[in-house]
Amino acid sequence: DAGVIQSPRHEVTEMGQEVTLRCKPISGHNSLFWYRQTMMRGLELLIYFNNNVPIDDSGMPEDRFSAKMPNASFSTLKIQPSEPRDSAVYFCASSLIGEQFFGPGTRLTVL
Amino acid sequence: QQPVQSPQAVILREGEDAVINCSSSKALYSVHWYRQKHGEAPVFLMILLKGGEQKGHEKISASFNEKKQQSSLYLTASQLSYSGTYFCGTEGNTDKLIFGTGTRLQVFP
Repeated sequence: DAGVIQSPRHEVTEMGQEVTLRCKPISGHNSLFWYRQTMMRGLELLIYFNNNVPIDDSGMPEDRFSAKMPNASFSTLKIQPSEPRDSAVYFCASSLIGEQFFGPGTRLTVL
Repeated sequence: QQPVQSPQAVILREGEDAVINCSSSKALYSVHWYRQKHGEAPVFLMILLKGGEQKGHEKISASFNEKKQQSSLYLTASQLSYSGTYFCGTEGNTDKLIFGTGTRLQVFP
């Protein structure tokens, strides 16, 4: 298996623009997690899905952030409009039982 | 709510041992340990379940004290490859992991 796949790997955008991050989990995994990592706040859970259903989105910063999982092999995290404070590395992870497998991350820079 | 890790940073010579602690203010079902190298994604090391203890690697082991809501990661005879930031992740009665503050470990020859 190729592991968790995320795209793009790097994204530079201007404030106010819409940003869409994509994730393909490992086949057969039933849980998917979106994390954000910054120096100041560490590794934060934004939202997680189980069997494509959002279970806990309490970590989503505000209404500008939204996430979807239309099927078992794809998820998106959208930020609209983006702001400079959204700059961070965004990780997607998937799991079946216990161990979470992280994707390589998307480094987002909002100017 | 975020677990607190100590120490924040550790510097070792190859072959030395280290202990990293993780403390939570909430009741725990399990504790996960991950290592993240600079510029890379976190990688799973091991999971400790309530009522049990599991080793993920020979020279890296961990303990879980449910009553104290604490876990410790033990690295023995450290190698250069052990360098990175170690995170504990604590889990209640859901699949949700809350990651700790992180401990940066540097091993020098």
